[in-house]
Amino acid sequence: DQQVKQNSPSLSVQEGRISILNCDYTNSMFDYFLWYKKYPAEGPTFLISISSIKDKNEDGRFTVFLNKSAKHLSLHIVPSQPGDSAVYFCAASEGDYKLSFGAGTTVTVRA
Amino acid sequence: DTAVSQTPKYLVTQMGNDKSIKCEQNLGHDTMYWYKQDSKKFLKIMFSYNNKELIINETVPNRFSPKSPDKAHLNLHINSLELGDSAVYFCASSQGSGGFQPQHFGDGTRLSIL
Repeated sequence: DQQVKQNSPSLSVQEGRISILNCDYTNSMFDYFLWYKKYPAEGPTFLISISSIKDKNEDGRFTVFLNKSAKHLSLHIVPSQPGDSAVYFCAASEGDYKLSFGAGTTVTVRA
Repeated sequence: DTAVSQTPKYLVTQMGNDKSIKCEQNLGHDTMYWYKQDSKKFLKIMFSYNNKELIINETVPNRFSPKSPDKAHLNLHINSLELGDSAVYFCASSQGSGGFQPQHFGDGTRLSIL
C-alpha cells in the first residue's frame, strides 16, 4: 500500500520556466517530508526538506510547499535549467528512521 | 571521495546462487540502510542498522541477511537467488534519526538473475 504518491510520471518544461512537481500522502502521522533528485546510474541525492510545522521552505531555486490539510506537497523549481533533468522522488517519514518514497517524476528540461 | 560506496555496481548471476553486496560509508554516520528499487521504480526500505544494531526489518524473505561488522559498513547477503530478486539495491546512511536527517545514498547495485 503506497502511502506516498506521485501521480505524474513525467513532466516536460522549457528552460527558464517553472517546474512544479506534486506529491500526495495518505499517512497523517508523517511529519517530515523530503525531495530527492536522481540521475541515471546514480543514487538519489537529497534536495530539500520540510517539517510539518512549516508550510514553505526555500533553498535557492527550489521551494517546497506543504498543505497538511490536503496531505499534499509540491516542489517548485524556478528557473528550470537543463541540469535539472532527472527523476525527482518525494519521501516522507513519521520522524523515525523509515522513509516512504513515491514512484518518482521524470523531469525533462527542454532548451 | 565517495561518501557511500557499494560494490559491485553490477551483478549478473544465476537462480539459486548466493551473493553478497558490500556497502561502506565515510561520513561518520551511525545509521545505515538497504533499499530495493523494483521494476516499478519504488524505493522500499528493507533493513536499517544503528550502531551495528538492527532497527528496521521490513517484510523481507529470510534469504536476505544484512550484516554490520561496524557502523561504517553494512553488507547484504542473499541466499538462493530467485528471479524476483532482480532489482537495483541501494545502500544509504544518515546521522541519528532518519526522519530528520537526510539519508545519503550510494549509486546502487543492479542485480540481474538469469
